[in-house]
Amino acid sequence: AAGVIQSPRHLIKEKRETATLKCYPIPRHDTVYWYQQGPGQDPQFLISFYEKMQSDKGSIPDRFSAQQFSDYHSELNMSSLELGDSALYFCASSRRDSPYEQYFGPGTRLTVT
Amino acid sequence: AQSVTQPDIHITVSEGASLELRCNYSYGATPYLFWYVQSPGQGLQLLLKYFSGDTLVQGIKGFEAEFKRSQSSFNLRKPSVHWSDAAEYFCAVGGAGNMLTFGGGTRLMVKP
Repeated sequence: AAGVIQSPRHLIKEKRETATLKCYPIPRHDTVYWYQQGPGQDPQFLISFYEKMQSDKGSIPDRFSAQQFSDYHSELNMSSLELGDSALYFCASSRRDSPYEQYFGPGTRLTVT
Repeated sequence: AQSVTQPDIHITVSEGASLELRCNYSYGATPYLFWYVQSPGQGLQLLLKYFSGDTLVQGIKGFEAEFKRSQSSFNLRKPSVHWSDAAEYFCAVGGAGNMLTFGGGTRLMVKP
């Protein structure tokens, strides 16, 4: 069965640089969620989108923005990167009528040096 | 706001022994409850979920969990642990909004 695809899987950036993470949801899933998992931490919800509109917002820094496109894929844009942004970033997808049945991608490991 | 507590940060069991991982949640209404497993450097895999109905739910890989409203708990169990079960386990609750709130995780180690 098709799963959530995230790219890149690993990313190394320097402080103050920008990064873009991409997420391709499971076919026929229309809702995308972004989570951040710091080292040794539990995943924290950042933001979600449904039908290209922001649905819910969590603890996402103002330096981050995200959007969902007409093909339902989503991108998380991160600017002015800080050392503390180093984390595993997960994307999850679901169908709107089953919002809690979220299927997670493998994650993008971002390292800021 | 919802919250999840996993009291045990680390648990070590012998292969073939039974396992119970504890999870307590806080949420005003009927919660949606989940257990996810994460192997090192990997994504989160859904083990099982509880939405309503039978309070004992079966999941993949031989895991089960029991919802106890009176105790605000959703403990994960497995009758016989395999070495491949060694991983981090996260309990999560879906409540207000559509986001999941995760517990701090329990790292399971399996002794041969």
